[in-house]
Amino acid sequence: GAGVSQSPSNKVTEKGKDVELRCDPISGHTALYWYRQSLGQGLEFLIYFQGNSAPDKSGLPSDRFSAERTGGSVSTLTIQRTQQEDSAVYLCASRLQGTGYTFGSGTRLTVV
Amino acid sequence: KNEVEQSPQNLTAQEGEFITINCSYSVGISALHWLQQHPGGGIVSLFMLSSGKKKHGRLIATINIQEKHSSLHITASHPRDSAVYICAVSWGAQKLVFGQGTRLTINP
Repeated sequence: GAGVSQSPSNKVTEKGKDVELRCDPISGHTALYWYRQSLGQGLEFLIYFQGNSAPDKSGLPSDRFSAERTGGSVSTLTIQRTQQEDSAVYLCASRLQGTGYTFGSGTRLTVV
Repeated sequence: KNEVEQSPQNLTAQEGEFITINCSYSVGISALHWLQQHPGGGIVSLFMLSSGKKKHGRLIATINIQEKHSSLHITASHPRDSAVYICAVSWGAQKLVFGQGTRLTINP
């Protein structure tokens, strides 16, 4: 596609439920990143995929968070047993080596 | 201490004014990025810099590698420039580390 597509754009879930957030990067972009922006906070790194290399998971805040990238394209971020502090905008970005980032519009997650 | 510091945190100016936003970082980097985020909107990449200066329309970005400092300038500012401007640094293809952002408001 022309841009990075994220779905859903908004998600309201009950505390304790699992959620899946999807990211469709730009075709051919080898690097894919997940970031999180909490209300009133800055952006924080979650996880990074580069080609077939093992992902950099160093930003995942707890073992309730996981992500996968299938076939080097679509990525899914899964949050298990959601907590209220997980409420944030989850942003996906992709890039080609040596170029700038293209961000998706984000998924606004609200845990009630 | 955040590895990336921006100043000012908030900036209000009148239409037409020359705007400067500053960014300092603490360790050597491979690239510095300037991003723009409109209220309720997504994030747009404005510049990626590793040295020197880049210009795009009314926006100019400079970087001084020795001083670990970058500036984003907006000439002839306009209300549509009102947004949060975010400085971020990266090492190779690794993750971005972000500044806290500068909220810019341009009044007509």
